[in-house]
Amino acid sequence: GAVVSQHPSRVICKSGTSVKIECRSLDFQATTMFWYRQFPKQSLMLMATSNEGSKATYEQGVEKDKFLINHASLTLSTLTVTSAHPEDSSFYICSASDQVYEQYFGPGTRLTVT
Amino acid sequence: DAKTTQPNSMESNEEEPVHLPCNHSTISGTDYIHWYRQLPSQGPEYVIHGLTSNVNNRMASLAIAEDRKSSTLILHRATLRDAAVYYCILRGNTGKLIFGQGTTLQVKP
Repeated sequence: GAVVSQHPSRVICKSGTSVKIECRSLDFQATTMFWYRQFPKQSLMLMATSNEGSKATYEQGVEKDKFLINHASLTLSTLTVTSAHPEDSSFYICSASDQVYEQYFGPGTRLTVT
Repeated sequence: DAKTTQPNSMESNEEEPVHLPCNHSTISGTDYIHWYRQLPSQGPEYVIHGLTSNVNNRMASLAIAEDRKSSTLILHRATLRDAAVYYCILRGNTGKLIFGQGTTLQVKP
């Protein structure tokens, strides 16, 4: 199956700093990428949908100025958490789709803001 | 996006079949039924999907009711590695996957 990677796998940052998370599709071209957030013992929550070369579409309640998404190529999307605070600590997961039927998920990035 | 309803948790014995139910009474004609599973601290893993007909793959089988208002994921012989949270999701034209709470499957040796 298709492989999606995320980097870093875990990151600890101080409150007020920004953190960038990369999502790469390794063996296919992803026309669409999705970003999710998952708090402990909860389900995944869709944050935004990004298509290569266009602005991301954010779900209701997700601050676009706080969670900056860039989908500059068919194999790379980045999520930047700006001015991170402890409440942003979460498990961030991306997925990539080649517009067939499946979304392929990355392994996730554990963000801890101190 | 149409919603799905799943039991919060289920238990199974190792090497026995497991039937995981999902209700989706508001499914539309173009919605695909997708199943994913997630192990702790990992991203979800695709299991199977279908539209109208029953589907089989190396991981599982998907039985879809004739009226499409419910479906059942079948693991033919559960192993300890099948212990995970199983999500039943309807995928519409937008391609978005909206996750519910899923079913936590516990497999006992």
